Amino acid sequence: QSVLTQPPSASGTPGQRVTISCSGSSSNIGSYTVNWYQQLPGTAPKLLIYSDNQRPSGVPDRFSGSKSGTSASLAISGLQSEDEADYYCAAWDDSLNGVVFGGGTKLTVL
Amino acid sequence: QVQLVQSGAEVRKPGASVRVSCEASGYSFTSYAIHWVRQAPGRGLEWMGWITAGNGDTKYSQKFQGRVTITRDTSASIAYMDLSGLRSEDTAVYYCARNPLGTTELDNWGQGTLVTVSS
Repeated sequence: QSVLTQPPSASGTPGQRVTISCSGSSSNIGSYTVNWYQQLPGTAPKLLIYSDNQRPSGVPDRFSGSKSGTSASLAISGLQSEDEADYYCAAWDDSLNGVVFGGGTKLTVL
Repeated sequence: QVQLVQSGAEVRKPGASVRVSCEASGYSFTSYAIHWVRQAPGRGLEWMGWITAGNGDTKYSQKFQGRVTITRDTSASIAYMDLSGLRSEDTAVYYCARNPLGTTELDNWGQGTLVTVSS
């Protein structure tokens, strides 16, 4: 049982827009910024979005993040086959005094 | 460019210990922290702890407290993660990741090290 709650799966067709939600509490998302990671099959995770809505250099602007209260969302527009991956949200948690991750969302491009 | 290169796969028997190393290059090692995250087969990411490379301060997940020790060698720009009392549930890929101080993001990751615990 992960501290941050994500849907286990999401899907979309090429060109579509999909969103992935991440729900937490006042001790994590409600107090700290959210980061998103993309993990392509068989590879290490990669930072996708940091500080709720910032993209590292090299990440396409098709990827965007937002946060409201104790929930956050990752949106992917213009879906491409290479976006098929696992996506994880993460934040610092005051109660646990450490980093907490969501359980991950497996994105399938149909 | 920033690189984190981890040591190779390990196989251990239950009750044993394992050390995984993470060699950093391409940046000032002591200006960042190193976190350790693991991923059991087919499962999600699990945070284990971190070390501030400059002063050696550490913080561990309560789940691993007493079993995990994270250290660093600043002269070689290497971070180490030691895990003791291994059990089958510790079979996982272990990742190190760089963290800019004062932030919460893990901006560069190692390639991962598979640790298999089996009798």
